[in-house]
Amino acid sequence: KNQVEQSPQSLIILEGKNCTLQCNYTVSPFSNLRWYKQDTGRGPVSLTIMTFSENTKSNGRYTATLDADTKQSSLHITASQLSDSASYICVVSAYSGGGADGLTFGKGTHLIIQP
Amino acid sequence: DGGITQSPKYLFRKEGQNVTLSCEQNLNHDAMYWYRQDPGQGLRLIYYSQIVNDFQKGDIAEGYSVSREKKESFPLTVTSAQKNPTAFYLCASRVSAGTQPQHFGDGTRLSIL
Repeated sequence: KNQVEQSPQSLIILEGKNCTLQCNYTVSPFSNLRWYKQDTGRGPVSLTIMTFSENTKSNGRYTATLDADTKQSSLHITASQLSDSASYICVVSAYSGGGADGLTFGKGTHLIIQP
Repeated sequence: DGGITQSPKYLFRKEGQNVTLSCEQNLNHDAMYWYRQDPGQGLRLIYYSQIVNDFQKGDIAEGYSVSREKKESFPLTVTSAQKNPTAFYLCASRVSAGTQPQHFGDGTRLSIL
């Protein structure tokens, strides 16, 4: 069964500090891995998407890494801001050959930035 | 601006009542999706559609129905058969080909009266 595990479940850090969120997956055959940011009461917004051959991708202060051998990904947030307070969702896509995209969603890490 | 519009933002359902959630996109995307989000759980796929007049069941389709009469619109009906409908419902769309990510609407929160 395809699974995506995220850690920690929740995290509180002070504004200006860095943090790293983890994602471990058992999805096969692997196609790509995405990180989304979801503000409270809003829909998720895509931050990065990485395929098998990519091991790092940045989007501003967000940097995602992928180790396809160990099936792990991380999302590093640099110099956190209050607006970074949100849930961060890891989504892994398997080649499904069909229309459902073969997506498996993690439960998310709830990040709170304190002033 | 292009995007996905879900309405209403909040919806209340009485016992035995069917309710319909609206999802409209002007991104010219072929594929559209409905997800359910419960606290502490990952998103779960209810229905998806790759083209007009065609749709497929996802992992938790029981108690739900959809239609895809227009490319821009993919409404979801929560029927009285869905015994635990309280949740946050998200609609998404994407281009069919390639690895482009899904674009999500801002959701509808459904509660039971």
